Amino acid sequence: SQQGEEDPQALSIQEGENATMNCSYKTSINNLQWYRQNSGRGLVHLILIRSNEREKHSGRLRVTLDTSKKSSSLLITASRAADTASYFCATDQTSGSRLTFGEGTQLTVNP
Amino acid sequence: SAVISQKPSRDICQRGTSLTIQCQVDSQVTMMFWYRQQPGQSLTLIATANQGSEATYESGFVIDKFPISRPNLTFSTLTVSNMSPEDSSIYLCSVEKVLNTEAFFGQGTRLTVV
Repeated sequence: SQQGEEDPQALSIQEGENATMNCSYKTSINNLQWYRQNSGRGLVHLILIRSNEREKHSGRLRVTLDTSKKSSSLLITASRAADTASYFCATDQTSGSRLTFGEGTQLTVNP
Repeated sequence: SAVISQKPSRDICQRGTSLTIQCQVDSQVTMMFWYRQQPGQSLTLIATANQGSEATYESGFVIDKFPISRPNLTFSTLTVSNMSPEDSSIYLCSVEKVLNTEAFFGQGTRLTVV
């Protein structure tokens, strides 16, 4: 089964609102990453958070990690129409396996 | 960072034929990977392309169906062989400068098999 599961599967908001996406995983990890994909194109790396970190910021992005709950959240503040995309979390497990991607959240920001 | 040129960007192919996808990186990288993304789904790793040796395939993927070449540290190809409509997907190549840190992706190849 997928290491990462995300919710919601789809999220539709108005421009200016905040968007929160969640990711849960099953086994111990080294790092958790978030990626963005526009219209089925290549993925773009957004942010990496290490297992010993709890929160990280990058511009309008805020990522949290709760290793006790095996979950992470991605918050996009003051969303823009250009933020419309699919967002995926990806984890690498301490067992040494390859990056495993979550199911993704399709975010639509309406102008 | 790494800039990856992947081509073709899309193709429509007849069933039973094969398509070779190319991935060119602007710098030498040890680790190159091929992923499949079926419609509306997440990415699934097909294989790790190793320079100088055979690719390492993930469970459910075999060399006869997805032969991979890696002639040097900047280039790799993935062939989708004897295609069927079930092979219709986006195929993505990816590189990592350091294992399990930031991954860089090509723009993907959108394959439709008819």
